[in-house]
Amino acid sequence: NAGVTQTPKFRILKIGQSMTLQCTQDMNHNYMYWYRQDPGMGLKLIYYSVGAGITDKGEVPNGYNVSRSTTEDFPLRLELAAPSQTSVYFCASSYSTPSGIYNEQFFGPGTRLTVL
Amino acid sequence: EDQVTQSPEALRLQEGESSSLNCSYTVSGLRGLFWYRQDPGKGPEFLFTLYSAGEEKEKERLKATLTKKESFLHITAPKPEDSATYLCAVQCYGQNFVFGPGTRLSVLP
Repeated sequence: NAGVTQTPKFRILKIGQSMTLQCTQDMNHNYMYWYRQDPGMGLKLIYYSVGAGITDKGEVPNGYNVSRSTTEDFPLRLELAAPSQTSVYFCASSYSTPSGIYNEQFFGPGTRLTVL
Repeated sequence: EDQVTQSPEALRLQEGESSSLNCSYTVSGLRGLFWYRQDPGKGPEFLFTLYSAGEEKEKERLKATLTKKESFLHITAPKPEDSATYLCAVQCYGQNFVFGPGTRLSVLP
């Protein structure tokens, strides 16, 4: 199993540009997440999905959008990039049982994004 | 509001010098507390899950413990390869994971 894969690893954007960060997992996990990590700060949840076709906002969703058309893929879209979106972005997946037990999250290697 | 804090922010140890990292939480209803290790330039890697006060888990030189208000990650006789940032996260009823800011551990040879 490859686990959680993310592309690209690095990207530099100009203000106002748009891009999509790709995330794929091959563990058949139902939950997927997008986080951003700023220096000295914890991981902040941007969006999450409990299954194909279902997404919901996390703590810091403004300026981002997501979709989940398959179990495996959970792309994150940045529209009109701003310097405040300079960060490291992590995708994660986990399995939650029908009784509501959350198991540990598996993280991808991250995408380092700079907006100039 | 659910909150997770970690202390110290950074810790430098000599090889073999044991210590503990703290994760304190104020949440409405804890379902699980998770410890992760993060190496520079990489994603967090799962270490432990603790579900109830009094629970302990061990893995090599690491032992995690849980009380009703905090968790400790004890590191016994650390080695330089234990240098990393250690993150804790809580998962609450009806909520997603809330992460602490992490403790940066450096173990000097």
